[in-house]
Amino acid sequence: NAGVTQTPKFRVLKTGQSMTLLCAQDMNHEYMYWYRQDPGMGLRLIHYSVGEGTTAKGEVPDGYNVSRLKKQNFLLGLESAAPSQTSVYFCASRIIRTPDTEAFFGQGTRLTVV
Amino acid sequence: AQKITQTQPGMFVQEKEAVTLDCTYDTSDPSYGLFWYKQPSSGEMIFLIYQGSYDQQNATEGRYSLNFQKARKSANLVISASQLGDSAMYFCAMREEATGNQFYFGTGTSLTVIP
Repeated sequence: NAGVTQTPKFRVLKTGQSMTLLCAQDMNHEYMYWYRQDPGMGLRLIHYSVGEGTTAKGEVPDGYNVSRLKKQNFLLGLESAAPSQTSVYFCASRIIRTPDTEAFFGQGTRLTVV
Repeated sequence: AQKITQTQPGMFVQEKEAVTLDCTYDTSDPSYGLFWYKQPSSGEMIFLIYQGSYDQQNATEGRYSLNFQKARKSANLVISASQLGDSAMYFCAMREEATGNQFYFGTGTSLTVIP
């Protein structure tokens, strides 16, 4: 049972380049999230989705776009990468059914923008 | 205002001793959930324990317990009989019923267990 899988695990980008991070979950979860983790700042929500075809902005959405064309996949795009987007990115998913369900996390993607 | 506050950037504990990691939260929603996650040096986020705002008893999961003081809006994690493998970052998180789609995380506490 794979759970939440993020691709790639590591990436180095040059300023101005674009890339897409893929998150895939096989648990049939409705909710999916993209977070970034920076030292001393915990995890901050970038975008999230409550179902196929829907997305919403989180706390720090600027410079990112997302899409959820299929329920199991949640894509995070950087159109023009900036050094400030150097971070560790986490995808998470959660089932909607009960309020006490935790979010399941992927293993993270370490992105460096030079 | 910060939804979740963790005031201890780093903590040390002797092996086999108990340790308390602090977490305070801010919400006006009467229905909410509090979560603790562990992040070892390998980077993955591991769910530890959950406490609901209407739960009458403190949550426990093995060596983990949550000291829930609703009036003080605190949800401290207690780890009993610390082990070397407990060395990690620990994050407190909250989900509000009204904004049920989002998890709000604190900045984390780095715990080091000393042999």
